[in-house]
Amino acid sequence: GNSVTQMEGPVTLSEEAFLTINCTYTATGYPSLFWYVQYPGEGLQLLLKATKADDKGSNKGFEATYRKETTSFHLEKGSVQVSDSAVYFCALSARGNAGKSTFGDGTTLTVKP
Amino acid sequence: DVKVTQSSRYLVKRTGEKVFLECVQDMDHENMFWYRQDPGLGLRLIYFSYDVKMKEKGDIPEGYSVSREKKERFSLILESASTNQTSMYLCASSFPAGTGNEKLFFGSGTQLSVL
Repeated sequence: GNSVTQMEGPVTLSEEAFLTINCTYTATGYPSLFWYVQYPGEGLQLLLKATKADDKGSNKGFEATYRKETTSFHLEKGSVQVSDSAVYFCALSARGNAGKSTFGDGTTLTVKP
Repeated sequence: DVKVTQSSRYLVKRTGEKVFLECVQDMDHENMFWYRQDPGLGLRLIYFSYDVKMKEKGDIPEGYSVSREKKERFSLILESASTNQTSMYLCASSFPAGTGNEKLFFGSGTQLSVL
């Protein structure tokens, strides 16, 4: 079946540090890949997505590239801010799976001033 | 502004009670989902619906049922609440698979405590 494995947290960084959160997946076919973010007390919201190999999704300074050869979709940001403190979820949506998404366990990021 | 609205932010119920969690979306989405979120376990799919009156089991349907009588509304029902159903429940909606726009829109969640 489909699965998503993401880097265990929690992750604590200082402001302006570089962020990487690793995500690898297992799926049949060619899924779409997503990063969702959950700020404290809120539901999840889409951060970025990529729908085919070598696509790069980007938003709010975050980037992730769909790497088919390594089945990975790592999230990166060059300079994090305190406001980026949240839980980050990697997810996939496999074609032919009726639109269901499979999520990783989430990585909690705390950015200290 | 597009919205997925869950009826309660916090809910406290007693063991054995029948519990209804309501979710409404205003985006005319065909797909609707119920997930539960537990620390260290991520999001797990309980049930989903791809059309009115259509439903399919997710990964953990035991102890739950759902109802979708109208396109915009998807209800999660706990027939007889138990303490192991204490959790954060998240409703989501999306366009159908294959549209190139399968991203999920989430509600703010309902934190259910069963005592």
